[in-house]
Amino acid sequence: DSGVTQTPKHLITATGQRVTLRCSPRSGDLSVYWYQQSLDQGLQFLIQYYNGEERAKGNILERFSAQQFPDLHSELNLSSLELGDSALYFCASSAKTGARNTGELFFGEGSRLTVL
Amino acid sequence: AQTVTQSQPEMSVQEAETVTLSCTYDTSENNYYLFWYKQPPSRQMILVIRQEAYKQQNATENRFSVNFQKAAKSFSLKISDSQLGDTAMYFCALDRGSTLGRLYFGRGTQLTVWP
Repeated sequence: DSGVTQTPKHLITATGQRVTLRCSPRSGDLSVYWYQQSLDQGLQFLIQYYNGEERAKGNILERFSAQQFPDLHSELNLSSLELGDSALYFCASSAKTGARNTGELFFGEGSRLTVL
Repeated sequence: AQTVTQSQPEMSVQEAETVTLSCTYDTSENNYYLFWYKQPPSRQMILVIRQEAYKQQNATENRFSVNFQKAAKSFSLKISDSQLGDTAMYFCALDRGSTLGRLYFGRGTQLTVWP
């Protein structure tokens, strides 16, 4: 158990809909990262938050947005869903960001999104 | 741009034998970190081993060791005494020193350990 909790584990929805994925990081971890794993794109970084502020953006679509709340949990919002958005969405956390961080991430079990 | 290449989509090995998974990468950074993550059927990403680029000594974690060739930008994973529980997808990943935590992943190698 990594200590990172993601809900829901599975989600099936229709094209055009909007969903919210939730992540609770390990206790004390300030950084949260979202990754997408799909057959086409493999594993790719979407976005990072540190202590409530956005720190880095990757290949995140404009239809997607995220935020990190004062209690450090994070949500990834996916809107106007398309078939190609079907993927496994991972959340990961780490203690810090910056020079002292060895870069080790702790991953949740992922949220499997299926868009029909 | 950062790239990570795993040229072996699938590999198999008999239990108790040794297997080596290959990974090459490209980055212009001088300070970076390399990782091998394991993703079993449960799908959770589990860190297997990590290597800091500034360390010449190859990292070792029990039955897992790496062969880090910085000049060749090669980072292979050796699994000794393979066990059935090692069956999983293995991902090589690069973390630039300037953007710690943002990992660049290879496409993975599916390793099957058979009895």
